[in-house]
Amino acid sequence: QKEVEQDPGPLSVPEGAIVSLNCTYSNSAFQYFMWYRQYSRKGPELLMYTYSSGNKEDGRFTAQVDKSSKYISLFIRDSQPSDSATYLCAMSSNAGGTSYGKLTFGQGTILTVHP
Amino acid sequence: DTGVSQNPRHKITKRGQNVTFRCDPISEHNRLYWYRQTLGQGPEFLTYFQNEAQLEKSRLLSDRFSAERPKGSFSTLEIQRTEQGDSAMYLCASNHARPNEKLFFGSGTQLSVL
Repeated sequence: QKEVEQDPGPLSVPEGAIVSLNCTYSNSAFQYFMWYRQYSRKGPELLMYTYSSGNKEDGRFTAQVDKSSKYISLFIRDSQPSDSATYLCAMSSNAGGTSYGKLTFGQGTILTVHP
Repeated sequence: DTGVSQNPRHKITKRGQNVTFRCDPISEHNRLYWYRQTLGQGPEFLTYFQNEAQLEKSRLLSDRFSAERPKGSFSTLEIQRTEQGDSAMYLCASNHARPNEKLFFGSGTQLSVL
């Protein structure tokens, strides 16, 4: 079983929809949680990051972490065609002080937002 | 361009050949990471450097793989005697060795082993 599980989708939604993306994990040592966006043939781009449990909002994006359930979510409001990409959750235990560096990624969810 | 730069963008090679990739991190970053991403999967950690010191290597990094960062600036990743299973996107990333420093990725080198 993988340390981080993410539904690969694909997920297709109409423009303006609210998108919910989720990951579960098994390693209790994970403390740092991130969401990356990856366009085709490009490297991952950091979208959101949180430490420990709680919510964080940035524009149309909201990240939630529930450490008790080992579950993290990313919500995208008013989704746009430009949001079409692969979304990757990532986590770290800060071993060796690498907090946001040595990451364990989920499989990625392919999202398409159609006009 | 002040981002992480990787060269070449694409590499096609025959099985058994050696290949070398280069990564130039963001200039002030002293930590540099290599990841590998296969089709339909998330990136997997391979190794990382702090300055010129290689501090950790994943068990994914077989003896055929070697990474260097000789002067603490750019890094190279060499794969000897390539196998078809080595076909993947090789991603480089960098950040500062400070708490809560975020990771920035390059666009990767896509390796195809025929």
